[in-house]
Amino acid sequence: AQSVTQLGSHVSVSEGALVLLRCNYSSSVPPYLFWYVQYPNQGLQLLLKYTTGATLVKGINGFEAEFKKSETSFHLTKPSAHMSDAAEYFCAVRRGYNQGGKLIFGQGTELSVKP
Amino acid sequence: ETGVTQTPRHLVMGMTNKKSLKCEQHLGHNAMYWYKQSAKKPLELMFVYSLEERVENNSVPSRFSPECPNSSHLFLHLHTLQPEDSALYLCASSQGGTGELFFGEGSRLTVL
Repeated sequence: AQSVTQLGSHVSVSEGALVLLRCNYSSSVPPYLFWYVQYPNQGLQLLLKYTTGATLVKGINGFEAEFKKSETSFHLTKPSAHMSDAAEYFCAVRRGYNQGGKLIFGQGTELSVKP
Repeated sequence: ETGVTQTPRHLVMGMTNKKSLKCEQHLGHNAMYWYKQSAKKPLELMFVYSLEERVENNSVPSRFSPECPNSSHLFLHLHTLQPEDSALYLCASSQGGTGELFFGEGSRLTVL
């Protein structure tokens, strides 16, 4: 069965500092992995996704994530935080085809950015 | 209009009321979803419709009743709700393949 664990329900960084949001997954099939962002009072928006191919994936707003199979990780990074990055971030893994291929979400990490 | 649109954005109802949430997708997708998002909890998948047939129902109480009249529209009918049902209800759609979901902005429900 597939599952997702996001380490840290809340992360705080200073503006201009590195952002690192951690995600570990378990999957019985080759995983498809996603990061979504949710701004206050809005729905979830796709930041980036890994399906196959290059393990370093670039997304919107300067974010990127690296799929590391040996570590079962898909951590999200951004070199320099901006105030507008303050939001909640969700990691997700797709279930296998025999389970309908639906997404399973982590509990979310709230990112705060200090001036 | 583009993407996934949800109405109303905010809803306050008493425990004896009957109301409905509406979702419309303009992406040509063939699957639609209802998720419940409560504070400090993971997203909970409630219902999945694929090609207008319900393919998943995750032990949701019968006071929530979904309806999918066509591939572009999804409703969530609400009746005799409880205060613990207060949450953000998110609609999403997808089109096979990777399973990538496209979300609406959500309907914030408060049950008094």
